[in-house]
Amino acid sequence: AAGVIQSPRHLIKEKRETATLKCYPIPRHDTVYWYQQGPGQDPQFLISFYEKMQSDKGSIPDRFSAQQFSDYHSELNMSSLELGDSALYFCASSSRTPGDTQYFGPGTRLTVL
Amino acid sequence: AQSVAQPEDQVNVAEGNPLTVKCTYSVSGNPYLFWYVQYPNRGLQFLLKYITGDNLVKGSYGFEAEFNKSQTSFHLKKPSALVSDSALYFCAVRRGGYQKVTFGIGTKLQVIP
Repeated sequence: AAGVIQSPRHLIKEKRETATLKCYPIPRHDTVYWYQQGPGQDPQFLISFYEKMQSDKGSIPDRFSAQQFSDYHSELNMSSLELGDSALYFCASSSRTPGDTQYFGPGTRLTVL
Repeated sequence: AQSVAQPEDQVNVAEGNPLTVKCTYSVSGNPYLFWYVQYPNRGLQFLLKYITGDNLVKGSYGFEAEFNKSQTSFHLKKPSALVSDSALYFCAVRRGGYQKVTFGIGTKLQVIP
């Protein structure tokens, strides 16, 4: 079965640079979520989109922005990168039915030097 | 607000023995509860969920979990542990009608041959 696709899988950036992470949800899923998982930490919810509109917002820094496109893929844009942004970034997708499960992608490992 | 507590950082169990990974939650309204497993450098894999109905939920790989409303718990169980079950297990809660999922800090399960 098709899964959530994330690209790139690994990304190395310098401080103050920008990064763009991409997420392609499972076909027919209309909701996308972004999570950040620091080393040894639990995943922290950043933001979610339903039908291209922001549906919920968590602990996303102002330096980050995200959007969902007409084909339901989503991009997380990160600017003025800091060392503390080094983490695994997961995308998840679901259909918007009550209690529907969020299925996670493999993650993008971002390293900021 | 919603939160999840996983009181054990690590659980050690001998292969073939039953295992339990504990989880308690706090959420207003009806809880949607999930268990995910994470292998090293991998994404989160969905194991099982409780939305409504039977308090005992069966999931992937022989895992099951019991929802206990009075104790606000959702402990993960398996009758006979395998070495391949060794991984990091996350309990998660979502409030009915909302998209944001809150994860516990994770419990490392070590199955000893």
